Amino acid sequence: EVQLVESGGGLVQPGGSLRLSCAASGFTFSSYEMNWVRQAPGKGLEWVSYISGGGDTMYYADFIKGRFTISRDNAKSSLYLQMNSLRAEDTAVYYCARTFSGRYNDYWGQGTLVTVSS
Amino acid sequence: EIVMTQSPATLSVSPGERATLSCRASQSVSINLAWYQQKPGQAPRLLIYGVSTRATGIPARFSGSGSGTEFTLTISSLQSEDFAVYYCQQYNNWWTFGQGTKVEIK
Repeated sequence: EVQLVESGGGLVQPGGSLRLSCAASGFTFSSYEMNWVRQAPGKGLEWVSYISGGGDTMYYADFIKGRFTISRDNAKSSLYLQMNSLRAEDTAVYYCARTFSGRYNDYWGQGTLVTVSS
Repeated sequence: EIVMTQSPATLSVSPGERATLSCRASQSVSINLAWYQQKPGQAPRLLIYGVSTRATGIPARFSGSGSGTEFTLTISSLQSEDFAVYYCQQYNNWWTFGQGTKVEIK
């Protein structure tokens, strides 16, 4: 059974940093591309970042503007999102999602809430 | 950026009735279109990809159609568990989602 479990969310002050993790199981992690998708409270879904199976190709949404870094450790079947210079508008539930051939997201984690507030 | 626009924002339907949800892309996305269902407090669930292919375990009452810029998700006979928010997503050029359609009980 495919499982994705996010962790690392919490309350952080504006300008602060946070590192999200996503532990994967039930599939060959290195064979799949992965996405981070976020959802602000009461709002819709917004793609954040992508990483290839080997970890050598990354893409980011324009609004990230160099503040976030996606990475993965295939030996640990884990995905990460390092978030720096956080802003109030980054407040959201962050989901990791398995991406089938870089297309649609076929499995999602339960999400981790990031709240940016003073 | 390809903008996805869903309509209506809210759809009120009685159980057993048909629901038709629309999704329009600001430019052609070919057949690179998926639909997701999200219930309160839960993660999104993949329903359909490639416009019309149901994901594993998705009941046949869910169907998708369209191409290019106009797409439709149809739920043929709404069950109680189908009341949720539905999002379309294009993956032709990066990944963008529509703003969602909430299907509520009439």
